[in-house]
Amino acid sequence: QVHLVQSGVEVKKPGSSVKVSCKASEYTFRNYYIHWVRQAPGQGLEYMGIINPAGGTNYAQNFQGRVTVTRDTSTSTVFMELRSLRSDDTAVYYCAREMTPTQYFDSWSQGTLVTVSS
Amino acid sequence: QSALTQPPSASGTPGQRVTFSCSGSNSNIGSNPVSWYQQLPGAAPKLLIFGNNQRPSGVPDRFSGSKSDTSASLAISGLQSEDEADYYCAAWDGSLNSYVFGSGTKVTVL
Repeated sequence: QVHLVQSGVEVKKPGSSVKVSCKASEYTFRNYYIHWVRQAPGQGLEYMGIINPAGGTNYAQNFQGRVTVTRDTSTSTVFMELRSLRSDDTAVYYCAREMTPTQYFDSWSQGTLVTVSS
Repeated sequence: QSALTQPPSASGTPGQRVTFSCSGSNSNIGSNPVSWYQQLPGAAPKLLIFGNNQRPSGVPDRFSGSKSDTSASLAISGLQSEDEADYYCAAWDGSLNSYVFGSGTKVTVL
């Protein structure tokens, strides 16, 4: 059962921004935290931030000031925008859900590859 | 540099038991539950263990988790070829006010 579906591949220039979407079922959108995690090529998982069912957000220190997570309640979609892109932002970006509050991610999306290159 | 430390690799022959650790601190593993994720090649991570030692429906009982103080462990008994994957631990870190992941352990079936 697919709970989260992300937008497709992105290719961006250094210094630009990218906005990745994560569409959830209405039930997931209303009852789950949605987190963002990224994985650079050949590297491990890196936590980015969260949006809760009330729309509140929290970001990892490494991304504060450069990332914004928003949502559209009319389409049950969550967005992650990363600004001032650098080559080391090249990664697969995942959204994942957490039943509130259980402290684990029970379902992950398929991921979106973002390539930053001049 | 990951907040949680895992050995980079672990290996075993089919049928063997493999165990590897995830080391953290009082602000993460020491005070919050640990979850484990399996990432097969080219795929998204998948929940394997939650709440230190609970298996979601559908995860074989060959996989087991444990936690003691500021460390956690994942064990795979009766190792199978399809268990070749990367495994990551994770926990909430109260000092960082953020989730943290382990560096990942690549399991190879010899």
